[in-house]
Amino acid sequence: DGGITQSPKYLFRKEGQNVTLSCEQNLNHDAMYWYRQDPGQGLRLIYYSQIVNDFQKGDIAEGYSVSREKKESFPLTVTSAQKNPTAFYLCASSRPVQGSKNIQYFGAGTRLSVL
Amino acid sequence: GDSVTQMEGPVTLSEEAFLTINCTYTATGYPSLFWYVQYPGEGLQLLLKATKADDKGSNKGFEATYRKETTSFHLEKGSVQVSDSAVYFCALGGQGGSEKLVFGKGTKLTVNP
Repeated sequence: DGGITQSPKYLFRKEGQNVTLSCEQNLNHDAMYWYRQDPGQGLRLIYYSQIVNDFQKGDIAEGYSVSREKKESFPLTVTSAQKNPTAFYLCASSRPVQGSKNIQYFGAGTRLSVL
Repeated sequence: GDSVTQMEGPVTLSEEAFLTINCTYTATGYPSLFWYVQYPGEGLQLLLKATKADDKGSNKGFEATYRKETTSFHLEKGSVQVSDSAVYFCALGGQGGSEKLVFGKGTKLTVNP
């Protein structure tokens, strides 16, 4: 089945530690995105990538880093510089197709907590 | 910049009640508009969309009409079910060739039997 797989489902970070969230898609989509979801704040864009080896900062990129070495994969690293990392992280992908531009498909999310 | 404003929740209804969740937007140009739904502990799923003025999106009994004159895209359902309990997000996108979406803050709906 085609889809977006995020792992792990739950993740715990210690003080000063970097952690990496995985996002893999087998939909053959060109664009991928990372969002952060906090209660009552909706989704905020962290980073996005429209093609391999290229990515852009979103609205809240500070304290995060990404890479896009393969079309299928877009891992997000939450660095120790992110002082408030506790949130639900969602990965999405999209592919511009006639009549369905901008539809984003989401993974099931990773819940990150600080120990 | 572009923005989306949704009615604040939570919204609590009895089964078979009529649902309206208001959504208004601010954007230059002609964005596409979306409603996404998030069930507890899951990611978002596209519920419906509209790409131009006066388009009506519909799915699973939900409807929303793209109103350019009032910059609105209100979500409606004539008879809600317990299984409709979820968080609903209004979003806009398609500006300037970008794939980015701008989301509202979400409205939590609880339907009681």
